[in-house]
Amino acid sequence: DAKTTQPPSMDCAEGRAANLPCNHSTISGNEYVYWYRQIHSQGPQYIIHGLKNNETNEMASLIITEDRKSSTLILPHATLRDTAVYYCIVRVALRSQGNLIFGKGTKLSVKP
Amino acid sequence: EPEVTQTPSHQVTQMGQEVILRCVPISNHLYFYWYRQILGQKVEFLVSFYNNEISEKSEIFDDQFSVERPDGSNFTLKIRSTKLEDSAMYFCASSEDNKTNVNTEAFFGQGTRLTVV
Repeated sequence: DAKTTQPPSMDCAEGRAANLPCNHSTISGNEYVYWYRQIHSQGPQYIIHGLKNNETNEMASLIITEDRKSSTLILPHATLRDTAVYYCIVRVALRSQGNLIFGKGTKLSVKP
Repeated sequence: EPEVTQTPSHQVTQMGQEVILRCVPISNHLYFYWYRQILGQKVEFLVSFYNNEISEKSEIFDDQFSVERPDGSNFTLKIRSTKLEDSAMYFCASSEDNKTNVNTEAFFGQGTRLTVV
């Protein structure tokens, strides 16, 4: 699985959009980009994933560059409850999606 | 909303003792996993389990670890002789086997904090 690089921490004002970047320059054609988050030592929570097209769900949007070497997770209106560590993970999609390799992630602090 | 449940939430054990951590995956899921997170460190994959056998395991998952699905609902992680360095949060996860879509998300439980003293 390709390696990812994320900033160790970011701040965001409550109500503003949080844009979390991720670099994955060695991503292969059959590898997907997944985002999970972990709120204060709780179990990781799935957010979104994508291959090459931009994706949106009720939690967030995922923007993947055309060359697929980087992506951005967007939380459109961050709340205090979005304070968490966000993990960008690149992996080949298989039937079992659980063999996830977590990095250190980005610690997002949403401030009032 | 269906969820993965883990018991106990916190377990304290003496070094050398055996512990069993229990998980109830989401009912229609077929893939099960254990991860651990030592305090202040990354979440680490331990083992995946499918069709009543281990499908993948990491270097961490050595002979002192074992997993079992003793009945149709529970999934357990056993540590035979605990060491101080086994102290960590242990997370169970499950995912479905959707034959029409390979991209099925993994749902995690809230974890069991294991403290070895």
